[in-house]
Amino acid sequence: GAVVSQHPSWVICKSGTSVKIECRSLDFQATTMFWYRQFPKQSLMLMATSNEGSKATYEQGVEKDKFLINHASLTLSTLTVTSAHPEDSSFYICSVLTSGNGAKNIQYFGAGTRLSVL
Amino acid sequence: AQKVTQAQTEISVVEKEDVTLDCVYETRDTTYYLFWYKQPPSGELVFLIRRNSFDEQNEISGRYSWNFQKSTSSFNFTITASQVVDSAVYFCALSEATRNTPLVFGKGTRLSVIA
Repeated sequence: GAVVSQHPSWVICKSGTSVKIECRSLDFQATTMFWYRQFPKQSLMLMATSNEGSKATYEQGVEKDKFLINHASLTLSTLTVTSAHPEDSSFYICSVLTSGNGAKNIQYFGAGTRLSVL
Repeated sequence: AQKVTQAQTEISVVEKEDVTLDCVYETRDTTYYLFWYKQPPSGELVFLIRRNSFDEQNEISGRYSWNFQKSTSSFNFTITASQVVDSAVYFCALSEATRNTPLVFGKGTRLSVIA
């Protein structure tokens, strides 16, 4: 079954509105989650590393005030695209990093969220 | 800096053919992980394999096999007797072996298996 739940899978919004995307770890506690962005027919671009209980670490060129990340619990990280504009339209996908014994340091991905800003 | 190169942008094969997806990586780390993920049209990335840098044993899982050659910095993926359901974009990725490090992805190879 799914290890990571990402919601919503698809959203259309008007320019200027904010959109929140949730990423939940279903099978284990995750101190670290990652947010990626993917343009059509391109690879995944890391946006930020989400750490439980602390501020996210953003990649160079990613506006932290534009893409708000909150990792308030060990199973939930949220990405809020604030005042969305058409150029923010993209496929956003989160991942959860396993930890502990066994198969650690593996990233499992959510199903992704397709955002279309009109 | 780390880098992953998947030189094959698109590959098209006829069902039941074998196909190999190439992956070449660059890293200065002595210990690292290599991964393959499958992204079907639905968009979700499906984890296929993780290989530790000190484990050069090849691996076979059903119709899938992986060839890790540290000497050539390659981690190639072969699908035997391909099926239409194998059609997807396949990503090779690399990460440091330390905790909480993100993945560095290749650009992906789009595989189309034709019936």
